[in-house]
Amino acid sequence: DTGVSQDPRHKITKRGQNVTFRCDPISEHNRLYWYRQTLGQGPEFLTYFQNEAQLEKSRLLSDRFSAERPKGSFSTLEIQRTEQGDSAMYLCASSLPRDSYNEQFFGPGTRLTVL
Amino acid sequence: GENVEQHPSTLSVQEGDSAVIKCTYSDSASNYFPWYKQELGKRPQLIIDIRSNVGEKKDQRIAVTLNKTAKHFSLHITETQPEDSAVYFCAAKGGNTPLVFGKGTRLSVIA
Repeated sequence: DTGVSQDPRHKITKRGQNVTFRCDPISEHNRLYWYRQTLGQGPEFLTYFQNEAQLEKSRLLSDRFSAERPKGSFSTLEIQRTEQGDSAMYLCASSLPRDSYNEQFFGPGTRLTVL
Repeated sequence: GENVEQHPSTLSVQEGDSAVIKCTYSDSASNYFPWYKQELGKRPQLIIDIRSNVGEKKDQRIAVTLNKTAKHFSLHITETQPEDSAVYFCAAKGGNTPLVFGKGTRLSVIA
């Protein structure tokens, strides 16, 4: 499968625990995005990378959230001290930086449930 | 920042009829408008997009129109089929700003 992959697909955790998700983009894509999607809503932008540089972060990304892309390939999203409000689908997408019109290809998502 | 409104939130049509979903955006600098289809439990997938230098784009049964003056764009699906049933999201972005999505339209095509 040459598409965007995410791991794990599902994560159930207790409030206060830390969780880490991984995203592997399409191999030649140097832009990588993280989104959060809750039921009945569209994806909400969290942050994005061009190669290993994190270029923008949303106000939604509190200080409990951190994302990395150390070698410009895969990325991790860590949530510390999880809260019930963090329960959502976390989507990763990747793209080529083709002017402004960069089609984003989404991964299958990681569904987080915080008990 | 950009704000995208999408209507309706749910839409039911008879198989073979047309479906229209409308979106408005707030930032006149936005210049790229993709539409994504998300089937239950699956990832969003791009079905069509339009750039601000074009007023209309068509791909088989799907078309998108853009009115830059009024800041709205629409998705048109003709001859709907049961497999068109899904949630459809519009989005808008400009330059290096992130994609901003609408809240989605749940389309049900009744056989």
